[in-house]
Amino acid sequence: SQTIHQWPATLVQPVGSPLSLECTVEGTSNPNLYWYRQAAGRGLQLLFYSVGIGQISSEVPQNLSASRPQDRQFILSSKKLLLSDSGFYLCAWSVWDTTNSPLHFGNGTRLTVT
Amino acid sequence: DAKTTQPPSMDCAEGRAANLPCNHSTISGNEYVYWYRQIHSQGPQYIIHGLKNNETNEMASLIITEDRKSSTLILPHATLRDTAVYYCIVRERRGTGANNLFFGTGTRLTVIP
Repeated sequence: SQTIHQWPATLVQPVGSPLSLECTVEGTSNPNLYWYRQAAGRGLQLLFYSVGIGQISSEVPQNLSASRPQDRQFILSSKKLLLSDSGFYLCAWSVWDTTNSPLHFGNGTRLTVT
Repeated sequence: DAKTTQPPSMDCAEGRAANLPCNHSTISGNEYVYWYRQIHSQGPQYIIHGLKNNETNEMASLIITEDRKSSTLILPHATLRDTAVYYCIVRERRGTGANNLFFGTGTRLTVIP
């Protein structure tokens, strides 16, 4: 069966520090991968998605970037965090090239920028 | 993009069926309806999805009206562990093989002992 792992679960970082959140998927090949952010009390916002190694699509201009160095690895990064980057970050995967494939989410990383 | 409308909150007695409504009046012919739920501080959990026909799995049933403008998620025997925020979502296709699901604010279901 497929599993998705995100780490760390919680993170407190000072403003201006770098960020690296990692997500890996097991049990499937060539998945679509996604990064979402959820602000407190609000819905999820799609940040990035990837349909293959090195292929990243950005949804929202921001202080963040994403990379996919391996088929089942998705990394969210920032060079300098802002207070507004605080939130709940979720990684998700879906089967590639299936029109109705649901997304499956990890348990998220709660980031607090101080 | 089709939008969805859900009541902000609902209560349900433990052991009873929970019926969560969703309106998606602008849905297009090839858009699926998805239901997820989110328990506090966890990632959203996929429940069920459908296009036209009613669907059932081990978690829930999905009833879609014939005109596809609304749907109802049914949890047949609600337990305390079903207390969560439930999201009704219409899929949008983004790029080759990629999907995006617009999560709104959902319905907060509280199962009462």
